[in-house]
Amino acid sequence: GAGVSQSPRYKVAKRGQDVALRCDPISGHVSLFWYQQALGQGPEFLTYFQNEAQLDKSGLPSDRFFAERPEGSVSTLKIQRTQQEDSAVYLCASSLEGTGQNIQYFGAGTRLSVL
Amino acid sequence: GQNIDQPTEMTATEGAIVQINCTYQTSGFNGLFWYQQHAGEAPTFLSYNVLDGLEEKGRFSSFLSRSKGYSYLLLKELQMKDSASYLCAVSRADFGNEKLTFGTGTRLTIIP
Repeated sequence: GAGVSQSPRYKVAKRGQDVALRCDPISGHVSLFWYQQALGQGPEFLTYFQNEAQLDKSGLPSDRFFAERPEGSVSTLKIQRTQQEDSAVYLCASSLEGTGQNIQYFGAGTRLSVL
Repeated sequence: GQNIDQPTEMTATEGAIVQINCTYQTSGFNGLFWYQQHAGEAPTFLSYNVLDGLEEKGRFSSFLSRSKGYSYLLLKELQMKDSASYLCAVSRADFGNEKLTFGTGTRLTIIP
Protein backbone atom coordinates (compact mmCIF):
# COMPACT_ATOMS: atom_id res chain seq x y z
CA GLY A 1 0.00 0.00 0.00
CA ALA A 2 0.89 3.66 -0.15
CA GLY A 3 1.44 4.02 3.57
CA VAL A 4 1.42 2.20 6.88
CA SER A 5 -2.04 0.88 7.66
CA GLN A 6 -3.28 0.02 11.14
CA SER A 7 -6.51 -1.62 12.23
CA PRO A 8 -8.74 -1.18 14.01
CA ARG A 9 -8.51 2.60 14.38
CA TYR A 10 -10.41 2.45 17.66
CA LYS A 11 -10.81 -0.38 20.12
CA VAL A 12 -12.78 -0.42 23.33
CA ALA A 13 -12.05 -3.34 25.64
CA LYS A 14 -13.31 -4.37 29.02
CA ARG A 15 -10.65 -4.83 31.65
CA GLY A 16 -9.30 -8.37 31.44
CA GLN A 17 -10.12 -8.81 27.75
CA ASP A 18 -7.47 -9.75 25.20
CA VAL A 19 -6.93 -7.48 22.17
CA ALA A 20 -5.00 -7.77 18.89
CA LEU A 21 -3.81 -4.78 16.92
CA ARG A 22 -2.72 -5.12 13.32
CA CYS A 23 -0.09 -3.25 11.32
CA ASP A 24 0.46 -3.41 7.54
CA PRO A 25 3.82 -1.76 6.81
CA ILE A 26 4.87 -0.16 3.56
CA SER A 27 5.61 -2.90 1.04
CA GLY A 28 9.28 -3.83 1.02
CA HIS A 29 10.14 -2.20 4.33
CA VAL A 30 12.42 -4.41 6.34
CA SER A 31 12.14 -2.71 9.72
CA LEU A 32 8.96 -2.44 11.77
CA PHE A 33 8.49 -0.66 15.08
CA TRP A 34 5.68 -0.46 17.63
CA TYR A 35 5.30 2.59 19.87
CA GLN A 36 2.84 3.50 22.62
CA GLN A 37 1.64 7.10 22.88
CA ALA A 38 -0.16 8.33 25.98
CA LEU A 39 -2.32 11.43 25.78
CA GLY A 40 -0.19 14.57 25.53
CA GLN A 41 3.06 12.62 25.38
CA GLY A 42 5.51 11.58 22.70
CA PRO A 43 5.54 8.00 21.42
CA GLU A 44 7.50 5.48 23.49
CA PHE A 45 9.28 2.52 21.93
CA LEU A 46 7.85 -0.93 22.52
CA THR A 47 9.50 -3.38 20.13
CA TYR A 48 11.40 -3.72 16.85
CA PHE A 49 11.44 -6.28 14.03
CA GLN A 50 13.88 -6.74 11.23
CA ASN A 51 11.97 -8.89 8.76
CA GLU A 52 10.43 -11.65 10.89
CA ALA A 53 13.03 -11.44 13.66
CA GLN A 54 12.11 -9.56 16.81
CA LEU A 55 15.45 -7.99 17.66
CA ASP A 56 14.41 -5.73 20.51
CA LYS A 57 11.46 -6.05 22.87
CA SER A 58 12.94 -4.05 25.69
CA GLY A 59 10.09 -1.51 25.67
CA LEU A 60 7.24 -3.95 26.22
CA PRO A 61 5.82 -2.94 29.62
CA SER A 62 4.92 -6.42 30.84
CA ASP A 63 4.64 -10.04 29.79
CA ARG A 64 1.02 -9.34 28.88
CA PHE A 65 2.32 -7.65 25.73
CA PHE A 66 3.34 -9.82 22.80
CA ALA A 67 4.22 -8.94 19.21
CA GLU A 68 4.84 -11.04 16.14
CA ARG A 69 5.65 -10.65 12.46
CA PRO A 70 5.70 -14.25 11.24
CA GLU A 71 6.25 -13.64 7.51
CA GLY A 72 8.24 -10.44 7.75
CA SER A 73 5.37 -8.24 6.61
CA VAL A 74 2.18 -7.78 8.65
CA SER A 75 2.67 -7.48 12.39
CA THR A 76 0.29 -8.02 15.28
CA LEU A 77 0.59 -6.56 18.76
CA LYS A 78 -1.38 -8.57 21.28
CA ILE A 79 -2.24 -7.44 24.77
CA GLN A 80 -3.56 -10.05 27.17
CA ARG A 81 -5.78 -9.33 30.18
CA THR A 82 -5.95 -5.61 29.40
CA GLN A 83 -5.69 -3.11 32.25
CA GLN A 84 -6.81 0.50 32.39
CA GLU A 85 -3.21 1.69 32.22
CA ASP A 86 -2.96 0.07 28.78
CA SER A 87 -5.26 2.78 27.38
CA ALA A 88 -3.20 4.69 24.80
CA VAL A 89 -2.62 5.07 21.09
CA TYR A 90 -0.50 2.28 19.63
CA LEU A 91 1.55 3.42 16.66
CA CYS A 92 3.28 1.26 14.11
CA ALA A 93 6.13 2.53 11.94
CA SER A 94 8.20 0.99 9.17
CA SER A 95 11.46 1.90 7.51
CA LEU A 96 13.29 0.65 4.48
CA GLU A 97 16.16 -1.13 6.19
CA GLY A 98 17.80 -1.52 9.53
CA THR A 99 21.12 0.11 8.81
CA GLY A 100 21.98 3.71 8.25
CA GLN A 101 19.69 6.59 9.05
CA ASN A 102 16.32 5.69 7.67
CA ILE A 103 13.08 7.60 7.98
CA GLN A 104 10.35 5.87 9.92
CA TYR A 105 6.88 6.18 8.41
CA PHE A 106 4.03 5.97 10.86
CA GLY A 107 0.50 4.68 10.69
CA ALA A 108 -2.38 6.64 12.19
CA GLY A 109 -2.47 4.30 15.17
CA THR A 110 -5.01 2.30 17.10
CA ARG A 111 -6.62 4.13 20.01
CA LEU A 112 -7.24 1.58 22.75
CA SER A 113 -9.61 2.42 25.58
CA VAL A 114 -9.84 -0.07 28.44
CA LEU A 115 -12.92 0.33 30.63
CA GLY B 1 19.63 6.51 28.89
CA GLN B 2 18.32 9.39 26.83
CA ASN B 3 16.67 12.62 27.92
CA ILE B 4 14.93 14.91 25.45
CA ASP B 5 13.43 18.27 26.38
CA GLN B 6 11.21 20.57 24.37
CA PRO B 7 8.63 23.20 25.37
CA THR B 8 5.15 21.86 25.99
CA GLU B 9 3.20 24.60 24.26
CA MET B 10 3.85 27.58 22.00
CA THR B 11 1.66 30.14 20.28
CA ALA B 12 2.52 32.11 17.15
CA THR B 13 0.79 34.41 14.69
CA GLU B 14 -0.17 33.54 11.14
CA GLY B 15 2.49 34.74 8.71
CA ALA B 16 5.19 34.97 11.38
CA ILE B 17 8.22 32.79 12.21
CA VAL B 18 8.51 30.40 15.15
CA GLN B 19 11.46 28.43 16.51
CA ILE B 20 10.91 25.23 18.51
CA ASN B 21 13.93 24.15 20.54
CA CYS B 22 14.96 20.67 21.55
CA THR B 23 17.80 19.61 23.83
CA TYR B 24 18.94 16.05 24.31
CA GLN B 25 21.39 13.92 26.24
CA THR B 26 22.29 10.60 24.74
CA SER B 27 25.10 8.21 23.97
CA GLY B 28 25.57 6.66 20.57
CA PHE B 29 23.84 9.54 18.78
CA ASN B 30 22.76 8.54 15.28
CA GLY B 31 20.60 11.42 14.14
CA LEU B 32 17.79 13.75 15.15
CA PHE B 33 14.35 13.78 13.58
CA TRP B 34 11.46 16.22 13.64
CA TYR B 35 7.92 14.98 13.09
CA GLN B 36 4.62 16.84 12.82
CA GLN B 37 1.51 15.30 14.34
CA HIS B 38 -2.00 16.64 13.95
CA ALA B 39 -4.49 15.46 16.56
CA GLY B 40 -5.61 11.91 15.92
CA GLU B 41 -3.27 11.45 12.97
CA ALA B 42 0.03 9.77 12.21
CA PRO B 43 3.29 11.56 12.93
CA THR B 44 4.69 12.72 9.59
CA PHE B 45 8.37 13.20 8.87
CA LEU B 46 9.62 16.77 8.55
CA SER B 47 13.40 16.72 8.77
CA TYR B 48 16.52 14.78 9.70
CA ASN B 49 19.92 16.04 10.92
CA VAL B 50 22.97 13.93 11.60
CA LEU B 51 25.72 16.51 10.99
CA ASP B 52 26.01 19.96 12.54
CA GLY B 53 24.33 22.76 10.66
CA LEU B 54 21.13 23.84 9.05
CA GLU B 55 18.90 21.77 6.78
CA GLU B 56 16.36 23.77 4.82
CA LYS B 57 13.25 22.38 3.21
CA GLY B 58 10.77 24.93 2.00
CA ARG B 59 9.14 26.78 4.89
CA PHE B 60 10.75 24.42 7.41
CA SER B 61 14.39 24.37 8.52
CA SER B 62 16.12 22.32 11.19
CA PHE B 63 19.42 22.97 12.92
CA LEU B 64 21.69 20.66 14.89
CA SER B 65 24.64 21.19 17.21
CA ARG B 66 25.95 17.83 18.39
CA SER B 67 28.46 19.32 20.82
CA LYS B 68 25.68 21.20 22.59
CA GLY B 69 23.04 18.48 22.30
CA TYR B 70 20.73 21.06 20.75
CA SER B 71 18.40 21.29 17.79
CA TYR B 72 15.69 23.63 16.64
CA LEU B 73 12.91 23.54 14.09
CA LEU B 74 12.20 26.83 12.36
CA LEU B 75 8.85 27.39 10.68
CA LYS B 76 8.44 30.41 8.40
CA GLU B 77 5.38 32.09 6.91
CA LEU B 78 3.16 30.32 9.38
CA GLN B 79 -0.20 29.05 8.19
CA MET B 80 -3.21 27.99 10.22
CA LYS B 81 -2.65 24.39 9.11
CA ASP B 82 0.70 24.43 10.93
CA SER B 83 -1.21 24.15 14.21
CA ALA B 84 -0.06 20.72 15.40
CA SER B 85 2.30 18.97 17.77
CA TYR B 86 5.96 18.91 16.79
CA LEU B 87 7.97 15.94 18.01
CA CYS B 88 11.73 15.92 18.43
CA ALA B 89 13.22 12.41 18.33
CA VAL B 90 16.73 11.03 18.67
CA SER B 91 17.95 7.89 16.98
CA ARG B 92 20.51 5.70 18.66
CA ALA B 93 21.59 2.82 16.48
CA ASP B 94 22.17 -0.42 18.29
CA PHE B 95 23.05 -3.19 15.89
CA GLY B 96 20.89 -1.66 13.20
CA ASN B 97 17.96 -0.97 15.52
CA GLU B 98 17.09 2.65 14.84
CA LYS B 99 14.44 2.99 17.48
CA LEU B 100 13.50 6.57 18.17
CA THR B 101 13.32 8.24 21.55
CA PHE B 102 10.83 11.09 21.48
CA GLY B 103 10.36 14.21 23.50
CA THR B 104 6.92 14.99 24.86
CA GLY B 105 6.13 17.14 21.83
CA THR B 106 5.46 20.86 21.46
CA ARG B 107 1.87 21.80 20.80
CA LEU B 108 1.93 24.80 18.48
CA THR B 109 -1.14 26.99 18.10
CA ILE B 110 -1.33 29.49 15.24
CA ILE B 111 -3.57 32.48 15.80
CA PRO B 112 -4.88 34.80 13.06
